[in-house]
Amino acid sequence: NAGVTQTPKFRILKIGQSMTLQCAQDMNHNYMYWYRQDPGMGLKLIYYSVGAGITDKGEVPNGYNVSRSTTEDFPLRLELAAPSQTSVYFCASRSIDRGRPLGTNEQFFGPGTRLTVL
Amino acid sequence: AQSVAQPEDQVNVAEGNPLTVKCTYSVSGNPYLFWYVQYPNRGLQFLLKYITGDNLVKGSYGFEAEFNKSQTSFHLKKPSALVSDSALYFCAVNRYNNNDMRFGAGTRLTVKP
Repeated sequence: NAGVTQTPKFRILKIGQSMTLQCAQDMNHNYMYWYRQDPGMGLKLIYYSVGAGITDKGEVPNGYNVSRSTTEDFPLRLELAAPSQTSVYFCASRSIDRGRPLGTNEQFFGPGTRLTVL
Repeated sequence: AQSVAQPEDQVNVAEGNPLTVKCTYSVSGNPYLFWYVQYPNRGLQFLLKYITGDNLVKGSYGFEAEFNKSQTSFHLKKPSALVSDSALYFCAVNRYNNNDMRFGAGTRLTVKP
């Protein structure tokens, strides 16, 4: 299994440009997440999805959009890039919590995308 | 909402010495607590978790953590540190029946030979 894969690894954008960060997982996980990691701030949840066709906002969704048309893919869209979106972006997935309360299974993370907006 | 604090930005230990990375949490109801490790230019990797049961949880690479409900803490420990343990460590908390995990700011562990 490749696990969680993300492309690109690095990207530099100009202010106002748009781009899509790709995320895919081959573990048949229902749940998928997008986080951003800023120095000294830990990870902040941007959006998450509990299955194909279902997405919801996290802690810091402004300036981003997501879609989930398949179980495997969960792209993150930046429409009008701003310097405040300079960050490292991580995608994660986890399996459904069978026989347990929601939230007990650990997440699997991709290698990240380092984005700079100038 | 739940939150987690890692009071130390940096922890330095000598190889072979025991290490502790601290974590305290705030959550209403029963917490689900996790430790992740991040090596340079990599994503986070799961180390261990506390869901219920025994307060001492053992995980990967010889790490363990103790859940202390009265002190709302979940400190990560290892009896004998290795240079290869040097990395960024994140504590995370989720609450019962919730899908919104919150991460601490991270603690950078440096193990010197």
